[in-house]
Amino acid sequence: DTGVSQNPRHKITKRGQNVTFRCDPISEHNRLYWYRQTLGQGPEFLTYFQNEAQLEKSRLLSDRFSAERPKGSFSTLEIQRTEQGDSAMYLCASSPRGGNIQYFGAGTRLSVL
Amino acid sequence: EDKVVQSPLSLVVHEGDTVTLNCSYEVTNFRSLLWYKQEKKAPTFLFMLTSSGIEKKSGRLSSILDKKELSSILNITATQTGDSAIYLCAVLVQGAQKLVFGQGTRLTINP
Repeated sequence: DTGVSQNPRHKITKRGQNVTFRCDPISEHNRLYWYRQTLGQGPEFLTYFQNEAQLEKSRLLSDRFSAERPKGSFSTLEIQRTEQGDSAMYLCASSPRGGNIQYFGAGTRLSVL
Repeated sequence: EDKVVQSPLSLVVHEGDTVTLNCSYEVTNFRSLLWYKQEKKAPTFLFMLTSSGIEKKSGRLSSILDKKELSSILNITATQTGDSAIYLCAVLVQGAQKLVFGQGTRLTINP
């Protein structure tokens, strides 16, 4: 069990650029979640997948954000036309079928200059 | 709107002290309450509480849920510098899969 893996760990980009993050969940976990955490705050829910189906999206997820999990394994989160307000830690978590405990990755820290 | 509030937001104590961290919640349909420890990396799972009044314990850490008072506490006894971290409380809402987090308590243990 290698845990939830996220890449890259850090991303610095210029305003207006597109960025993509990857999350590899714990093997055989069918549920995958994305959260965003800003300094001094707890994580905020963005979206949730069960297998390849995206079942829930927060209103925080504007039309510049898109997430996919094409084969029900890894997931990507893309942010188009980044803004300075997108600077945050993006956390991914996974949980097994029927389980309520979400296991988190180390996150991708995004800095938009 | 579902809400989780933690207190204090920050706490500084000396090694060996005992600390109590608080979490209160207002949610539409409560399912479970979870505690996580966050250092400079992934939040790591500590406890999940579903039933009121049953204490969960792991070494020097323990936690209990009070569904009447809509709250939970996390106790750490004989604190060590390695306990320094942000402690996050989150509630899982019935019918949804998302965790609603509090702001976290930043705990600093001085030697």
